[in-house]
Amino acid sequence: TAGITQAPTSQILAAGRSMTLRCTQDMRHNAMYWYRQDLGLGLRLIHYSNTAGTTGKGEVPDGYSVSRANTDDFPLTLASAVPSQTSVYFCASSVTPSGNQPQHFGDGTRLSIL
Amino acid sequence: AQSVAQPEDQVNVAEGNPLTVKCTYSVSGNPYLFWYVQYPNRGLQFLLKYITGDNLVKGSYGFEAEFNKSQTSFHLKKPSALVSDSALYFCAVRQSGNTPLVFGKGTRLSVIA
Repeated sequence: TAGITQAPTSQILAAGRSMTLRCTQDMRHNAMYWYRQDLGLGLRLIHYSNTAGTTGKGEVPDGYSVSRANTDDFPLTLASAVPSQTSVYFCASSVTPSGNQPQHFGDGTRLSIL
Repeated sequence: AQSVAQPEDQVNVAEGNPLTVKCTYSVSGNPYLFWYVQYPNRGLQFLLKYITGDNLVKGSYGFEAEFNKSQTSFHLKKPSALVSDSALYFCAVRQSGNTPLVFGKGTRLSVIA
């Protein structure tokens, strides 16, 4: 079972370049999320989408954008990367956005901005 | 605002001994509480959740957690630790509705043979 697939698994990127992190789920979940994980800070929500066609800002949205054209895909774009965006990025999904649903996570993209 | 605290960065326990990973939370209203585990170079895996009802919740891999409303705690427990339980554990909370899930900073559990 695939669940959530993230690509690439890792990337080194020059500052100022743009990049799109891909996330695809095959569970037909309505809600999807992007988090970044940094040592000592846990996971912080970047953007979310409660259903296809809608998106919202999380705790740390600056410098990132998302789109949700269909149920399965939720790409995250860095328009002009900066070194502080070096992190591990996780995509997640849940059946619905309601509070009692657990989230399912991909295995992450490790991004280094030089 | 909702928040989660995991007061221990690291917990060490001998194999076969009981383990506890602590979590306290702050929300207005009734909380939805979750525990996740993360193995190296992997995403988070759902372990268990408390929504309502029985204060003792049982989850995957023999883990359980006890919801204590008066102490606003949701500690993760296992009666007998295994070396394979060594991982990073995250507690998370959200209020009812579509509010964001808020994660603690994580506790690294090391089980020593």
